[in-house]
Amino acid sequence: DAGVTQSPTHLIKTRGQHVTLRCSPISGHKSVSWYQQVLGQGPQFIFQYYEKEERGRGNFPDRFSARQFPNYSSELNVNALLLGDSALYLCASSEETYEQYFGPGTRLTVT
Amino acid sequence: KQEVTQIPAALSVPEGENLVLNCSFTDSAIYNLQWFRQDPGKGLTSLLLIQSSQREQTSGRLNASLDKSSGRSTLYIAASQPGDSATYLCAVRGYNTDKLIFGTGTRLQVFP
Repeated sequence: DAGVTQSPTHLIKTRGQHVTLRCSPISGHKSVSWYQQVLGQGPQFIFQYYEKEERGRGNFPDRFSARQFPNYSSELNVNALLLGDSALYLCASSEETYEQYFGPGTRLTVT
Repeated sequence: KQEVTQIPAALSVPEGENLVLNCSFTDSAIYNLQWFRQDPGKGLTSLLLIQSSQREQTSGRLNASLDKSSGRSTLYIAASQPGDSATYLCAVRGYNTDKLIFGTGTRLQVFP
């Protein structure tokens, strides 16, 4: 079975631009969560979606938004990019209340 | 507010050694605890999941224990190998949420 997939793998953006990151969960998983991992730190929770509804939001500014589609895939959008948004963005999926499985991540570099 | 700490931050050992990685958390009201492995620049690979009602879990050379009352978990790696070199992260999950709170990890290097 395919694991969690994310696209793109890498991207480079300029300050002030907008970016969209995509995630496809493991088949059958209805919960998707997004995390930001800055170099040398543990991942920080951004959002969780379950059945297309937001279930949790971390301490991130309104420039960060997300949505989940009927097929349970998800997008993370970041507006007005700052240098500090450079990080590895991780997506995780799970069946409700069970173990979370992470994708390979998207490396975002903001210049 | 839940905080997760991992000690040591880095560890370098010769091949074959048995080693212990530590994870502590400040709020004992956790639903479960997961240990992950992360290779440089890559995503997270789940190693072991311990539910709050469990004391330990084992997978191959890995054994994780959980002491909720003292807010501690340990990951024991037996007979370490160079292929075990990676960063090991622990994360706790509270009730009624999928949110994981991570420690900053232990960077392990096993040399031949």
